[in-house]
Amino acid sequence: GAGVSQSPSNKVTEKGKDVELRCDPISGHTALYWYRQSLGQGLEFLIYFQGNSAPDKSGLPSDRFSAERTGGSVSTLTIQRTQQEDSAVYLCASSIHSLNTEAFFGQGTRLTVV
Amino acid sequence: SQQGEEDPQALSIQEGENATMNCSYKTSINNLQWYRQNSGRGLVHLILIRSNEREKHSGRLRVTLDTSKKSSSLLITASRAADTASYFCATDRKGNTGKLIFGQGTTLQVKP
Repeated sequence: GAGVSQSPSNKVTEKGKDVELRCDPISGHTALYWYRQSLGQGLEFLIYFQGNSAPDKSGLPSDRFSAERTGGSVSTLTIQRTQQEDSAVYLCASSIHSLNTEAFFGQGTRLTVV
Repeated sequence: SQQGEEDPQALSIQEGENATMNCSYKTSINNLQWYRQNSGRGLVHLILIRSNEREKHSGRLRVTLDTSKKSSSLLITASRAADTASYFCATDRKGNTGKLIFGQGTTLQVKP
């Protein structure tokens, strides 16, 4: 596609429910990132996929968070048993190479846990 | 912990003035990048400066990098109201495979 696509744009869920957030990176991009941004804050790194290497999961805040990337393309971020503190904008980005290249961001998914 | 720290956290200037934002980081890097964010959604890449570069220009943007001080600055000249946004630096730490770590950002308001 022309850019990084994230769905849904907005998601309201009840506390305790599971949610899945989807990211379609730019075709051919080998690197894919997930970040979380709380209101008025910076970007918190969550997870990083690079080609066929094992993902860097060092930013996932708890075992309720997981992500996968199927076929080196689409990625899904899953949050189980959502809590109110999970409310944030979840941003996905991709880049063509891993080193010295810019990242292209999607418009994010705004998650609200009520 | 986050790699980059921007200052100031917020900056308010008049249209036509220059805006300078700073970023400090903690470890050796491959490159440092600046991004802009409008309305709390997707970020747009502005400029990338590699660790062996000291200055880079793009239109009204000027970025400097001082690896000895582990700091970078972003200068926006002749600012416009449309430059109002949040600006973030991101670092690609040396030894990592391209993972970008972002700072907390500077919120810039340009008054018409």
